[in-house]
Amino acid sequence: NAGVTQTPKFRVLKTGQSMTLLCAQDMNHEYMYWYRQDPGMGLRLIHYSVGEGTTAKGEVPDGYNVSRLKKQNFLLGLESAAPSQTSVYFCASSGTGEGYTFGSGTRLTVV
Amino acid sequence: DQQVKQNSPSLSVQEGRISILNCDYTNSMFDYFLWYKKYPAEGPTFLISISSIKDKNEDGRFTVFLNKSAKHLSLHIVPSQPGDSAVYFCAASDRATAYKYIFGTGTRLKVLA
Repeated sequence: NAGVTQTPKFRVLKTGQSMTLLCAQDMNHEYMYWYRQDPGMGLRLIHYSVGEGTTAKGEVPDGYNVSRLKKQNFLLGLESAAPSQTSVYFCASSGTGEGYTFGSGTRLTVV
Repeated sequence: DQQVKQNSPSLSVQEGRISILNCDYTNSMFDYFLWYKKYPAEGPTFLISISSIKDKNEDGRFTVFLNKSAKHLSLHIVPSQPGDSAVYFCAASDRATAYKYIFGTGTRLKVLA
């Protein structure tokens, strides 16, 4: 029972490079989310999806894009990475009326 | 504008004593609250929840209290154990966006043996 799986776990990028973070869930959850965690800032919502083919902006969407082509996958893209995007990224999923199940996180450093 | 606030970044408690973690919110439309626990290098895991129709919910050593008039909730851990050392996040949602939670900044609990 994998739950929510994030790939990769660690990544170092140079400023201006692009990358995609992958989130996969096997619980048939409708809702999926991307959060970033920064010291003193808690967990801040970047983008979320309420179903396959849908996406919406959260609190801090600038510099990120997302796609939900399949119900089980939610991709987070950085088109041109900046040092301010150095963070730990968490993906989560939930069913209707439920709390979140989180992945184990991706630690991204932009140099 | 932080809608969910955890004003204590850290807390140290002796093993066996009570740990009390606090959370304040500003949005009166919030009606469902969660507490999550996070160990280093892991994702947050669900701990306990409370609906606004209740003022207390208990699960083993963990009890969450909700004071709607004060817009305040607290998590009590009794007795505290060294394995409880972690970062604790409170989160809140309202009926309009029941699937979307706003998280606090977290409180790091250290239980001293």
